[in-house]
Parts: sequence; structure tokens; C-alpha cells
Amino acid sequence: AQKVTQAQTEISVVEKEDVTLDCVYETRDTTYYLFWYKQPPSGELVFLIRRNSFDEQNEISGRYSWNFQKSTSSFNFTITASQVVDSAVYFCALSDPNFGNEKLTFGTGTRLTIIP
Amino acid sequence: EAGVTQFPSHSVIEKGQTVTLRCDPISGHDNLYWYRRVMGKEIKFLLHFVKESKQDESGMPNNRFLAERTGGTYSTLKVQPAELEDSGVYFCASSQKAKAFFGQGTRLTVV
Repeated sequence: AQKVTQAQTEISVVEKEDVTLDCVYETRDTTYYLFWYKQPPSGELVFLIRRNSFDEQNEISGRYSWNFQKSTSSFNFTITASQVVDSAVYFCALSDPNFGNEKLTFGTGTRLTIIP
Repeated sequence: EAGVTQFPSHSVIEKGQTVTLRCDPISGHDNLYWYRRVMGKEIKFLLHFVKESKQDESGMPNNRFLAERTGGTYSTLKVQPAELEDSGVYFCASSQKAKAFFGQGTRLTVV
């Protein structure tokens, strides 16, 4: 069975600080995708990144970076120089390759508050 | 390009009533998913359509929930009769090539 754990329920940091959101996953599959989604106060889930299980290179997109470590089954998300607009709930998710890699298992989310 | 659209954004109904949620996927996306998030818990899969066919409905809680996708376009999710535990945010997603796009969700409150 698949499982995604986001142990941090809520995090608050002062603006301009760096913050890392943790994600640990469990799966017996060798091929899968990992995702991060952002849910701002408006409610929609905004796609941030998709990572293939065979690609362990870290990725950086502006102030966002992702650290995928297969050895520890973790896919952590770091925001550098945080801004108030980063305040949101962030979800980590894992795909199920038995369903075309499009059926997702989500974590419980981490609520991030950036204090101005 | 329009994203995934869900109606209504909020719905408050009494226990025992019926509610129908609607989802308009991104044009051209054959895959459509429904998910639900109960307060404070994870977002859980409900079901998956490929065009108008139900591919996987293993996440549907019980037979009070009925999903349809007429002509492979928009989808509806009907809850009848609604119970208190059905309260939550219902998300719809459409996808192509293992990349899912979500709507803003419908917040359902059953009182």
C-alpha cells in the first residue's frame, strides 16, 4: 500500500527566512512520480513539480528547490527567502503506476505561514 | 486556456438533502478524477473517469455517492442523502500525461 507522510502540520517563519517542508513516502513500486501541490487561501490546488522516481537530481525553480532522496524515501521542498505570498497549505503526493501514474496518494498537508 | 472549473464553490445543506457537484475539466483531457479532503486529513481519491467510463471507483465511500460523466465532458457527483460525515472539500482534477490539474474545490458542509 502507498503512503505519504508530512509530519509537519503547521510551520511559521518570519519573512525572508528559508523553510523546508518534509515529505516521506512508502511504496513497493519501482516506478512512480512524486508531486508537490500548493493550496493558497483561494482553495485551488496548484501544481508545483513532478519528479520521476528514476531522476534523483535536485531541482531548483527560482526560490523553490526540491531534494529527492530515494535511499530515505524523501522528497523535501525548500523555499528560500520566503515571502508572505508563500503562505499556503502544501501537499506532497505519490502516483500509483498501476493506474497509469495519475491516481495520487496525498499527505495530510503542511500549513505554512510566513510572518511579515 | 481555461483550467478545471468546479461549481458551486460552497454548499451548505441539511442532513438528508441531496447535493450535486459539478466539474468541468480542461478541454481535451480524457482523464477526470474526484478527490475529497475531510477536515484536517489527507486528500483522498474517490474515482476516475476515462472519457465517459468509470475506470476506478474504489474510493467511493458508499452508495449514497453517484458520479457521472455525460458524453465524456463535464462530470457530476451527487450525494443523496447527505450525512454529516460527508462534509469536506471535494476536488476535481483532469490530467494528461501523468500531470493532474485541479480545480478550486467545492466546500460542502452538511448540518
